[in-house]
Amino acid sequence: GAVVSQHPSRVICKSGTSVKIECRSLDFQATTMFWYRQFPKQSLMLMATSNEGSKATYEQGVEKDKFLINHASLTLSTLTVTSAHPEDSSFYICSAQGRLNYGYTFGSGTRLTVV
Amino acid sequence: RKEVEQDPGPFNVPEGATVAFNCTYSNSASQSFFWYRQDCRKEPKLLMSVYSSGNEDGRFTAQLNRASQYISLLIRDSKLSDSATYLCVVNMCDNNAGNMLTFGGGTRLMVKP
Repeated sequence: GAVVSQHPSRVICKSGTSVKIECRSLDFQATTMFWYRQFPKQSLMLMATSNEGSKATYEQGVEKDKFLINHASLTLSTLTVTSAHPEDSSFYICSAQGRLNYGYTFGSGTRLTVV
Repeated sequence: RKEVEQDPGPFNVPEGATVAFNCTYSNSASQSFFWYRQDCRKEPKLLMSVYSSGNEDGRFTAQLNRASQYISLLIRDSKLSDSATYLCVVNMCDNNAGNMLTFGGGTRLMVKP
């Protein structure tokens, strides 16, 4: 079945630094990538949607200059958390949808801790 | 009002019990519906899609009532391994945004020996 590889699985960084999270679709072309954030004991909240080769569409309240999304190819999308702060500590998950695949394939998630 | 609402639980049930989760959604234009399972600190995994005619997969039965905008999940003969958070997920196709998944807050199930 479809697989999305997400890295890193865990990262601890200092406040003010930037962190890049990668999601790769291994056996299909991800035409659309969704990026979610999940705080403890809460559900997934959509941050942004990106289509290959286009600028990402951000949800209300999500700063596009802080959460940089790149979807330059059909197999790779990245989320960069710039100038991270402790309140950015969360579980970030990507979900990919392929051209012919109606379903959604989730990455394994990245647990970000900003100290 | 949340777009997808679930009782957060937790539901504490003994092994072998039958448990039912409910979910309501607010957008009548929603097109497809799913139940996902999420284990602690892991990504959600698709449990089953939900069809208008109702569908069953082993011990799991899902039902959809479009008129009432209501989705249910029934788990029979609960196992310890069923302990997880169950997410009700609704898919809507928006003209501008394309397909969008909206997640409910999840219902936590704890099955005890």
